[in-house]
Amino acid sequence: GAGVSQSPRYKVAKRGQDVALRCDPISGHVSLFWYQQALGQGPEFLTYFQNEAQLDKSGLPSDRFFAERPEGSVSTLKIQRTQQEDSAVYLCASSSTGRLYGEQYFGPGTRLTVT
Amino acid sequence: GQQVMQIPQYQHVQEGEDFTTYCNSSTTLSNIQWYKQRPGGHPVFLIQLVKSGEVKKQKRLTFQFGEAKKNSSLHITATQTTDVGTYFCAGPTNSGGSNYKLTFGKGTLLTVNP
Repeated sequence: GAGVSQSPRYKVAKRGQDVALRCDPISGHVSLFWYQQALGQGPEFLTYFQNEAQLDKSGLPSDRFFAERPEGSVSTLKIQRTQQEDSAVYLCASSSTGRLYGEQYFGPGTRLTVT
Repeated sequence: GQQVMQIPQYQHVQEGEDFTTYCNSSTTLSNIQWYKQRPGGHPVFLIQLVKSGEVKKQKRLTFQFGEAKKNSSLHITATQTTDVGTYFCAGPTNSGGSNYKLTFGKGTLLTVNP
C-alpha cells in the first residue's frame, strides 16, 4: 500500500526565498508530525496535527515557519525568507493514533539546501 | 528540558559480532520507541516498549525497557551487513505542556565489516 509521500524530494533555495514542502500522509491517519533532521542528528520535532487541528507548534524554530493541514489530510510546511541554518532534511510522519503511543510512519523527507 | 541520550555514537563491528546501543532519559518515560534509519533513508519503526522491565525480541534483536522506565537498550546478536544504519530511541516529551512531542536521541550509527 501507499506510504507517506513528500515532495519535492530535494529543494535548493537562495537565501531569502520562500519554500513550501508537501506531505501526503497515509490515508485515514489522524496524526501528522513534521520533523527537522540535521546531518548526523536525530529528528527534531517541529509541529503536530490531529486531523486539521494544529495542536502543538512548539518546535517551530521561528515565526518564519508555518504549517497547515486544512482538510485533515495533506499538509504543507512553509518557510519564509529562508536562511542557511534552515538547511536540513524535513521529515513528515503520520500515525493512526491520536496520541504518542504507536508507530509513526515516516516519509522519505525533503532535503532543503539554502545557498 | 527533557533529554534522551544514546551511547555509543558510533559502533563498527565485524559481521557476526554482537552490538548493543543504550538509551537514557532524564525523566521517566511512558513508553519508548526504537527506529532504524538506513543511510540515505528515513526512520523506520522497529518497536515500542511500554511496561517497566519489558523485554521484546524480534529475531536477532532484543529490546529492553528499564525498571525505572528511564533507560532502554537494543541488542543485536550476530550482526549482518543488513543491520547497517542508525538506530534511534525516542520517547514522549511533555515539556511545555506538550503531549505530542517525541524526543529522539542522536542515534547510534552501526557499520558492519563483512
